[in-house]
Amino acid sequence: AQKITQTQPGMFVQEKEAVTLDCTYDTSDPSYGLFWYKQPSSGEMIFLIYQGSYDQQNATEGRYSLNFQKARKSANLVISASQLGDSAMYFCAMREGRGYSTLTFGKGTMLLVSP
Amino acid sequence: DTAVSQTPKYLVTQMGNDKSIKCEQNLGHDTMYWYKQDSKKFLKIMFSYNNKELIINETVPNRFSPKSPDKAHLNLHINSLELGDSAVYFCASSQELAILPSYEQYFGPGTRLTVT
Repeated sequence: AQKITQTQPGMFVQEKEAVTLDCTYDTSDPSYGLFWYKQPSSGEMIFLIYQGSYDQQNATEGRYSLNFQKARKSANLVISASQLGDSAMYFCAMREGRGYSTLTFGKGTMLLVSP
Repeated sequence: DTAVSQTPKYLVTQMGNDKSIKCEQNLGHDTMYWYKQDSKKFLKIMFSYNNKELIINETVPNRFSPKSPDKAHLNLHINSLELGDSAVYFCASSQELAILPSYEQYFGPGTRLTVT
């Protein structure tokens, strides 16, 4: 079973509008972290935002916020006021447990922002 | 200053050759990783090293041999390259405290390997 599911292969949004990118996850570990990364066409992986499983509040970083619904096991990324430079591939990822573990990535969502 | 650097950025080679990709981080992190991103953009962990010791090896063919001469470097050597090895290889690093899974990984710019 996939641990991270991103059901939207592609999303379109107009500049200045908000957009939500979906991510659901599967884990039985009570301690885990959820991450979002952005990969523009230039190829680098850029860390955007982090949410811990014990965090009481949703994470926010500038125009990025994470809509964390623990019971539903979802961690959707919300980008407010989209900009043309937001056009990129977005990956949701999870790390489980304490101790050494690595990121498990979803398949990504390609976001295109139009003028 | 580049935090995680990889060389080369592009690598084109023929089947059967042996090649290496180098990775260096100047963040003082103690853990480094190699990921493979396939043509469908799927990212998968290959190896993880903590303080020069291999801690995760995700069923990668033994043609792939990582080497960590020190905490700041993690190189990837690939023997007998195959067509299916064509991908983008990312190095990453993080500071692991083995307490909470909260430390993001910083990625290098990637190395695009093309095997012909």
